[in-house]
Amino acid sequence: GEDVEQSLFLSVREGDSSVINCTYTDSSSTYLYWYKQEPGAGLQLLTYIFSNMDMKQDQRLTVLLNKKDKHLSLRIADTQTGDSAIYFCAESMNAGNMLTFGGGTRLMVKP
Amino acid sequence: GAVVSQHPSRVICKSGTSVKIECRSLDFQATTMFWYRQFPKQSLMLMATSNEGSKATYEQGVEKDKFLINHASLTLSTLTVTSAHPEDSSFYICSARDQQGEAFFGQGTRLTVV
Repeated sequence: GEDVEQSLFLSVREGDSSVINCTYTDSSSTYLYWYKQEPGAGLQLLTYIFSNMDMKQDQRLTVLLNKKDKHLSLRIADTQTGDSAIYFCAESMNAGNMLTFGGGTRLMVKP
Repeated sequence: GAVVSQHPSRVICKSGTSVKIECRSLDFQATTMFWYRQFPKQSLMLMATSNEGSKATYEQGVEKDKFLINHASLTLSTLTVTSAHPEDSSFYICSARDQQGEAFFGQGTRLTVV
């Protein structure tokens, strides 16, 4: 079955850039997502990328996709303390399908 | 953006009782809703896919008689945890797909069975 993996933890200093990495195994993944989960809250969609794209930028967020290596990354520029949260990558085969999530990366931003 | 309201946000119940969790899409119609479960420090695991007007499709290992899902309208899906036990304590999250295929998540429900 599909498998999505992420590193568990990342710590950065305020103002630095954060890079959260994700690998997936399903080559038929069409949509790849990044979600943010703050303590006790649901999931907030940050951004998504189609598999025919290499990069997508949205303000402080940059998503890079290496489809050959099945590697997805999320870069957060000028990381702020409010960015501290758990970040999940997820994939789906098409827009109507269920999502398969990675284990989540806990980002801690130190002042 | 679209809003999905999940209720209640927290619930504590006694072992053996049943708990109903509601998931509503407030400003769009969702023919498909998904229910996920999240154990502490673990990822979200899909429990079932709920389609309006038909029976839910459950993932392997999820007991359909224990986790009753009803999707009676285009804006409401409910998950009922029947005869709850302490091992059912978890964080349950629903998501609803809009017509463009984007998924919006509810706030989640933290269930504690004592």
